Amino acid sequence: SAVISQKPSRDICQRGTSLTIQCQVDSQVTMMFWYRQQPGQSLTLIATANQGSEATYESGFVIDKFPISRPNLTFSTLTVSNMSPEDSSIYLCSVRDRTSYEQYFGPGTRLTVT
Amino acid sequence: RKEVEQDPGPFNVPEGATVAFNCTYSNSASQSFFWYRQDCRKEPKLLMSVYSSGNEDGRFTAQLNRASQYISLLIRDSKLSDSATYLCVVNDGNQFYFGTGTSLTVIP
Repeated sequence: SAVISQKPSRDICQRGTSLTIQCQVDSQVTMMFWYRQQPGQSLTLIATANQGSEATYESGFVIDKFPISRPNLTFSTLTVSNMSPEDSSIYLCSVRDRTSYEQYFGPGTRLTVT
Repeated sequence: RKEVEQDPGPFNVPEGATVAFNCTYSNSASQSFFWYRQDCRKEPKLLMSVYSSGNEDGRFTAQLNRASQYISLLIRDSKLSDSATYLCVVNDGNQFYFGTGTSLTVIP
């Protein structure tokens, strides 16, 4: 399985500001994803981070609010823009094995917006 | 109807007990099935994939029932360290669907 790191691990931000979360994988992976997990809830897919092209967003998520970069096969960033308290959540980076479909998650970024 | 449904619990069981969780899925064309474990304030970690023939890993047994569209996870000889939330994940060939998790607490 891949080793995934995320930065920052947690942050407290003021409403109206933006935060960029970094995800680094120790090996090249084709399939990389960003999820959100709100308190007491399961995981919700935000988008698929595509290397060399625009991310593919799920219903309810838009590029202006959650811009994503994927400059290479080991790194991606997710920005949470113009934050509001409703954006308080854990944001998780994930990679998927193309053959087995097994998914592995980064440790998450715990975001609190005040 | 949700794509994946789990009994949220909580399940409180004594050490050494056997406990089973079920997870139902709505899409009969679903292709891949997984159980994840999530500890409090941690990321989900893959526990095991679920194969059509069923599979076992130590004290853990996963089974798939396609006719009734559910997967199960059986934990034998429960340990205190098994206390966690267990997430069911189903892939329909396009999307991955996560259950809301079943909470297990193993009591000394």
